[in-house]
Amino acid sequence: GAGVSQSPSNKVTEKGKDVELRCDPISGHTALYWYRQSLGQGLEFLIYFQGNSAPDKSGLPSDRFSAERTGGSVSTLTIQRTQQEDSAVYLCASNSPDSRYGYTFGSGTRLTVV
Amino acid sequence: AQSVAQPEDQVNVAEGNPLTVKCTYSVSGNPYLFWYVQYPNRGLQFLLKYITGDNLVKGSYGFEAEFNKSQTSFHLKKPSALVSDSALYFCAVSYASGGSYIPTFGRGTSLIVHP
Repeated sequence: GAGVSQSPSNKVTEKGKDVELRCDPISGHTALYWYRQSLGQGLEFLIYFQGNSAPDKSGLPSDRFSAERTGGSVSTLTIQRTQQEDSAVYLCASNSPDSRYGYTFGSGTRLTVV
Repeated sequence: AQSVAQPEDQVNVAEGNPLTVKCTYSVSGNPYLFWYVQYPNRGLQFLLKYITGDNLVKGSYGFEAEFNKSQTSFHLKKPSALVSDSALYFCAVSYASGGSYIPTFGRGTSLIVHP
């Protein structure tokens, strides 16, 4: 597609449930990033995928968080046993080395844990 | 490690006046620097980037930024602010580390342009 697509745009879940957030990057972009934006906070790096290399998971806040990227394209961020502090906007971005526009972000998924 | 500081949580400016949103960075190698803007309930939109070359970078919507290596700064500027420029602005830095480029973002600066 023309841009980075994220779904769902909004998700309300009960504490303790698992959620899956999806990111469809720009076709041909080899790099994909997940960030978390909490109210009044900056962007917190979560995980980075580059081509077929092992992902950089150094930003994942706990082992309840995991992500995969199938076929070098679509990525899914999974949060298990959600907690209220997981409530945030989850942003996905993709990038290629020759991109004029740096990192292209999706509109995000607003996750609310009740 | 790399870091970005945006020292102002909020900047207020009157429409038509020049605006500056400040950003300083810390990185061990040559930095790649970016500015993004975020409107309410939207993702981040790219404004401009510095990779190499001219220290003055021109970007979207009339914005520009100047890379100052000695002061490790990359302040965002616009000669004449518009009310529609009111938004949240993020500065970011990345650099090549083992082949990866993971951008670090500042906390953001809320720009309010008064009519």
